[in-house]
Amino acid sequence: NAGVTQTPKFQVLKTGQSMTLQCAQDMNHEYMSWYRQDPGMGLRLIHYSVGAGITDQGEVPNGYNVSRSTTEDFPLRLLSAAPSQTSVYFCASSAASGGAADTQYFGPGTRLTVL
Amino acid sequence: GENVEQHPSTLSVQEGDSAVIKCTYSDSASNYFPWYKQELGKRPQLIIDIRSNVGEKKDQRIAVTLNKTAKHFSLHITETQPEDSAVYFCAAFTGGGNKLTFGTGTQLKVEL
Repeated sequence: NAGVTQTPKFQVLKTGQSMTLQCAQDMNHEYMSWYRQDPGMGLRLIHYSVGAGITDQGEVPNGYNVSRSTTEDFPLRLLSAAPSQTSVYFCASSAASGGAADTQYFGPGTRLTVL
Repeated sequence: GENVEQHPSTLSVQEGDSAVIKCTYSDSASNYFPWYKQELGKRPQLIIDIRSNVGEKKDQRIAVTLNKTAKHFSLHITETQPEDSAVYFCAAFTGGGNKLTFGTGTQLKVEL
């Protein structure tokens, strides 16, 4: 199994540009999530999904959209990039369902810089 | 929502000593508490976790304790080694909200 994969690994955007960060998992996990990691602030939840067709907001959802059309994929869209979105983005998945937690497995991350 | 506080933010120990990292959480409904280790430039990786129906769990040199009444949980690393140097994150999962909330991390440095 490849586990959780993310593309691209690095990206530089100009303010106002849009882009999609890709995330895929091959473990048949129902739960998927996106975090951003900034120095001194830990990992903050952006959006999450408990299954195909179901998404919900996390702690810092503004400026980001998600969709979950399949169990495997959970892309994160930046609508109009801002310098404040410069960060490292991690996708994670777990077998958690029905409010029961399970181990979250993280992807390798995408380092995004917005100029 | 849930709030997780983690202390200390940096911790330096001598090789062979023990290290303790402490976290508190605010939501009494939280029921799962994982600990992640993140090496520089790498992804977070789970090292140990504990559920709310358990008070302590141990895995070789690593142990976690949970005090539900006080809403505290702690990571204990014994006989530290240089390869234990990393950033450690605690987290709390609230089942009703389906959300995992992380602490701000502890930079552990094990000195020779």
